[in-house]
Amino acid sequence: EIVLTQSPGTLSLSPGERATLSCRASQSVSGSYLAWYQQKPGQTPRLLLYGSSSRATGIPDRFSGSGSGTDFTLTISRLEPEDSAVYYCQLFGTTPPYTFGQGTKLEIK
Amino acid sequence: EVPLVESGGGLVKPGGSLRLSCVASGFTFTNAWMNWVRQAPGKGLEWIARIKNKAVGETTDYAAHVKGRFTISRDDSQNTLYLQLNSLKTEDTAVYYCSASSDTYLKYWGQGTLVTVSS
Repeated sequence: EIVLTQSPGTLSLSPGERATLSCRASQSVSGSYLAWYQQKPGQTPRLLLYGSSSRATGIPDRFSGSGSGTDFTLTISRLEPEDSAVYYCQLFGTTPPYTFGQGTKLEIK
Repeated sequence: EVPLVESGGGLVKPGGSLRLSCVASGFTFTNAWMNWVRQAPGKGLEWIARIKNKAVGETTDYAAHVKGRFTISRDDSQNTLYLQLNSLKTEDTAVYYCSASSDTYLKYWGQGTLVTVSS
């Protein structure tokens, strides 16, 4: 089973700053199967990126993804207050189980 | 409009059973691969089961710790996904989300239904 480790656990930044969230896999994976989700407090998760870098419908271009092999990154440029959320990466579509990372909590000061 | 609406959650004693339902709308359910994901209180997301569509044999997969206790199924005539939960444990307490996926990501999510396992 491939384990996804996200870092940092919590990130506290100010509006307008850039956030860099990391997702590391325990073995090399194809970026085609790496997705990112956003979950705001009290809300349902929402798909942000799939295929490691393709934005889902309606996701602003402030959100971008990159990476390959074992290291993947979600970057949020020009942070806005509504970006406060927990962000999860997930490996989906390879061999089950389709594990999630443990999440990174992003706080906007 | 929310494309997925779960129901069936509630309070159940350890060892008990429950069946969750998820009604889909606004997309072609018969083509979709469907999943259940859960989230224990204050914890992260955990994928627990998937069922593919009929075109590829409605193949099912489960997370190891629910395999043999939980059963995912679908009724395409009713646009409904099910999760039968048996032999429930206190650690199964969570919000259970249904989700429609492509082959590489979870695209649509329901609002979740809370299952509480407690004596």
